[in-house]
Amino acid sequence: DVKVTQSSRYLVKRTGEKVFLECVQDMDHENMFWYRQDPGLGLRLIYFSYDVKMKEKGDIPEGYSVSREKKERFSLILESASTNQTSMYLCASTAGGRANEQFFGPGTRLTVL
Amino acid sequence: AQSVTQPDIHITVSEGASLELRCNYSYGATPYLFWYVQSPGQGLQLLLKYFSGDTLVQGIKGFEAEFKRSQSSFNLRKPSVHWSDAAEYFCAVAPGGEYGNKLVFGAGTILRVKS
Repeated sequence: DVKVTQSSRYLVKRTGEKVFLECVQDMDHENMFWYRQDPGLGLRLIYFSYDVKMKEKGDIPEGYSVSREKKERFSLILESASTNQTSMYLCASTAGGRANEQFFGPGTRLTVL
Repeated sequence: AQSVTQPDIHITVSEGASLELRCNYSYGATPYLFWYVQSPGQGLQLLLKYFSGDTLVQGIKGFEAEFKRSQSSFNLRKPSVHWSDAAEYFCAVAPGGEYGNKLVFGAGTILRVKS
């Protein structure tokens, strides 16, 4: 059974803290994505990666960075968390190809106080 | 820019009734279209997809969707809703181009099922 796992389901952090969200996939997928989900806005793409050590900005990259040192792992970093980054964060992976399904992790609900 | 519109934020249907969730896209070329479902506390799961061929596509859990190019629509349907279908549904398009499998999502439709 294919699987995308995220390091935490719930996370509470303070304003200004550095936050790491980890995502691991076991499907040997080349492509990995980080989305942010907010009510009424759907999913918005933060960053994505098509290969190890490669990253591309999505639609809302400000305030975030990413790291992909190994094929199976894609990390989202909030350098200095702010309250407007309180949200649900979803990681996804897919094999190459436009028609391929993205597989999603369960999400991390981050609250920044 | 490519966009996806789901006009209905919430929909409530009775168990056993039929369901149609609307999706309109703005995209110049042949779109690759997807419907995903998110059950409470879960990640997203693919219901079905369309990229060519028969414009009526069948998916999992008894769902189907019809692509209508003239209306720029890809509406999701189910003939008889079950209580377990209560979830949030997202329509998405893969615009293609340099990063072909990026997805652009609609805002989602929350389905409530009443008994």
